[in-house]
Amino acid sequence: AQRVTQPEKLLSVFKGAPVELKCNYSYSGSPELFWYVQYSRQRLQLLLRHISRESIKGFTADLNKGETSFHLKKPFAQEEDSAMYYCALSPDSNYQLIWGAGTKLIIKP
Amino acid sequence: NAGVMQNPRHLVRRRGQEARLRCSPMKGHSHVYWYRQLPEEGLKFMVYLQKENIIDESGMPKERFSAEFPKEGPSILRIQQVVRGDSAAYFCASSQQGANVLTFGAGSRLTVL
Repeated sequence: AQRVTQPEKLLSVFKGAPVELKCNYSYSGSPELFWYVQYSRQRLQLLLRHISRESIKGFTADLNKGETSFHLKKPFAQEEDSAMYYCALSPDSNYQLIWGAGTKLIIKP
Repeated sequence: NAGVMQNPRHLVRRRGQEARLRCSPMKGHSHVYWYRQLPEEGLKFMVYLQKENIIDESGMPKERFSAEFPKEGPSILRIQQVVRGDSAAYFCASSQQGANVLTFGAGSRLTVL
């Protein structure tokens, strides 16, 4: 079955510390992976996608097909990174996204 | 460009009433998606529509729920005879044809008393 797992509901780190939000997926094909973010009182928006292989707001994510993971990382957390983060999978690049339950990231001053 | 507009932002209904949620896609987007988010859960796909056409409604409950995207006007998600379990945030997203990058609305939060 196709599934996206974000094992941490809540992650709290201090400002300046490294951040890693975990995302594991279950899918046998060639999925496309995304990270979406929802800042307080704002709408859900795309943060990055694995095919872009770019860094957005200091965040990177590498698709590891062997471990079926797409963890989101940032070396030095900032207070404005506090938000809900959702990992999503698009099976074979079609339109239907499968979502993880989300991780709430809190950056402590 | 106002982005994806959803209204109402908050809707309170009593059990048995009808709820109608509206979504206007981003300018230039012809595809609309509805998602539901139950408390403590991730987003669950409900339905995918183009103008006057339902492409995929595999995520829609078989009863009481319907969606449309008419030639003119917003897309509407309709829930008849609401029950407490329908209480959730309903998100609409839109995209250009064939794209899997979605632009989301702010969501409509339905509370059923």
